[in-house]
Amino acid sequence: DAKTTQPPSMDCAEGRAANLPCNHSTISGNEYVYWYRQIHSQGPQYIIHGLKNNETNEMASLIITEDRKSSTLILPHATLRDTAVYYCIVRGANTGNQFYFGTGTSLTVIP
Amino acid sequence: KAGVTQTPRYLIKTRGQQVTLSCSPISGHRSVSWYQQTPGQGLQFLFEYFSETQRNKGNFPGRFSGRQFSNSRSEMNVSTLELGDSALYLCASRNDRVIKQYFGPGTRLTVT
Repeated sequence: DAKTTQPPSMDCAEGRAANLPCNHSTISGNEYVYWYRQIHSQGPQYIIHGLKNNETNEMASLIITEDRKSSTLILPHATLRDTAVYYCIVRGANTGNQFYFGTGTSLTVIP
Repeated sequence: KAGVTQTPRYLIKTRGQQVTLSCSPISGHRSVSWYQQTPGQGLQFLFEYFSETQRNKGNFPGRFSGRQFSNSRSEMNVSTLELGDSALYLCASRNDRVIKQYFGPGTRLTVT
């Protein structure tokens, strides 16, 4: 599975969009990009995933660059409850259920 | 549907003892994975079970073992506990047709 690189921490003002970047320059053609978040001491929560196209759901949007070497998770209107560690994970569709979580980005939403 | 449940939620053991943690997956999910989370190492994959068979294994010593029952419930066992085994142990389940996995709340194990 491809490695990912994320900034260790970010701040965002409440109500503003939070843009969390992720580099995955060694991603291969059949690998998906997943985003999870973990609020302190709880189990990780699935946010969104994508392969090539941009994706949007009720929680967030995922923008994947055309070369697929990086992506950005967008929380359109951050709230205090979005304060969490966000993990970007790259994983193939046909491998076992093994997610490499990395160190993630600790997002702090500031009132 | 009920989510992934893990029992117990908190546990305190002493060095040398053994411990068994339990995970009940979401109904219909046959794949169960276990992860260890520590401040120093982050989230690390332990193993995955599917239809009562271990399908994947992470890089952990043999003191860590698991099993899955016919109803997809899973247990993991740690023998001869060490202080470094203190961690949050997370279980995740998924429908094998879908890659997305759902995590339980975890079991916080403290070894003294």
